Amino acid sequence: EDKVVQSPLSLVVHEGDTVTLNCSYEVTNFRSLLWYKQEKKAPTFLFMLTSSGIEKKSGRLSSILDKKELFSILNITATQTGDSAVYLCAVETGGYNKLIFGAGTRLAVHP
Amino acid sequence: NAGVMQNPRHLVRRRGQEARLRCSPMKGHSHVYWYRQLPEEGLKFMVYLQKENIIDESGMPKERFSAEFPKEGPSILRIQQVVRGDSAAYFCASSLFSRGLAADTDTQYFGPGTRLTVL
Repeated sequence: EDKVVQSPLSLVVHEGDTVTLNCSYEVTNFRSLLWYKQEKKAPTFLFMLTSSGIEKKSGRLSSILDKKELFSILNITATQTGDSAVYLCAVETGGYNKLIFGAGTRLAVHP
Repeated sequence: NAGVMQNPRHLVRRRGQEARLRCSPMKGHSHVYWYRQLPEEGLKFMVYLQKENIIDESGMPKERFSAEFPKEGPSILRIQQVVRGDSAAYFCASSLFSRGLAADTDTQYFGPGTRLTVL
């Protein structure tokens, strides 16, 4: 059965800290891995990763994929309280873009 | 360009009633996906539809749940005879294409969700 596992499940840090969120997967027919940020509303798209070893960056956020070891990490540097959210990892699989989600990592950034 | 719209945002039903959840995809998108999120859990795929076609309903319970995406109008997720276990957030997503090519044009964009509470 396809599965996506995220760790840690929750994380509490102070502003300015750097955090690393982990996502491992076991799926058939891997297409891509996506990261979403979910506050109290719609998950918002962050990154799509398809190739190993190529880092994607957007401001203080970056992510990389390892297709050999079947995992991805999401890094957030110099965290701010606005980064507080649930970060979802999803893997696209199958003949169309069906997404399998992990349970999410709940990040709380305290002032 | 308006994003994915869902309504209602909150829905309260008593056990045994019907719940109808609506989703209007982003302009130009013809692929719609429904997901359910139980408290403290990730999103679980329910069904994938194109206009007038159900492509994959493998994540949807066999009984009481149905989905449609008519030629005109929003996609509807219908839950008949709701039970307490149906209480969850239901998210809809849409994409421009759905070719399984891991292309940016296949990216799913999510609506704000409908939070269903069954009393």
